[in-house]
Amino acid sequence: EIVLTQSPATLSLSPGERATLSCRASQSVSNHLAWYQHRPGQAPRLLIYDASNRATDIPARFSGSGSGTDFTLTISRLEPEDFVVYYCQQRSDWPRTFGQGTKVE
Amino acid sequence: QVQLQQWGAGLLKPSETLSLTCAIYGTSLTGYYWSWIRQPPGKGLEWIGETNHRGSGTYNPSLKSRLTISTDTPKNQFSLRLNSVTAADTAVYYCARIDIVATNSFDPWGQGILVTVSS
Repeated sequence: EIVLTQSPATLSLSPGERATLSCRASQSVSNHLAWYQHRPGQAPRLLIYDASNRATDIPARFSGSGSGTDFTLTISRLEPEDFVVYYCQQRSDWPRTFGQGTKVE
Repeated sequence: QVQLQQWGAGLLKPSETLSLTCAIYGTSLTGYYWSWIRQPPGKGLEWIGETNHRGSGTYNPSLKSRLTISTDTPKNQFSLRLNSVTAADTAVYYCARIDIVATNSFDPWGQGILVTVSS
């Protein structure tokens, strides 16, 4: 199965700063990668699909880039509600797999 | 707005069957794939499997021998059954939609339900 490795595990930043989250795949997934935001006790929310497309109602401060094996989620200016956990997920091959998550604190 | 509401038993004994249902509001079951995902305590997300209204789907090989995901078109809901559970199946279980035409990603998700397996 395709293993997704997210780094760093924890990202310590302040509101207003820029966050750069990385997701690396063990083999090429083309652009078949999504990013999710997960607040404690809530359902995960789709942020980005197909590596760079923002999902419906997602603020413009969230952007995704990359293809093949290396992907990045960027939050241009952190808002207080952005300090949660983010997961990447690939749909290039079965089984669908997720990264282990990056916590923005 | 599409919403998913899930329910089922939250406490099971080892060897019992986990059974969860997810009701779909705001859209029809037909035309999409429907998935289950879980998150063990302190761990990451694990895709369990998915199906469509025709019963065409794919399961995670690690769970396939114990797993059934089914749909009920008249009730607009889908279900998960996982046999012979152990403590390793303790997790928060989520249902989610996959729109293979639009995003081909999990969107939206249900609220999640904690299932604990303990003797």
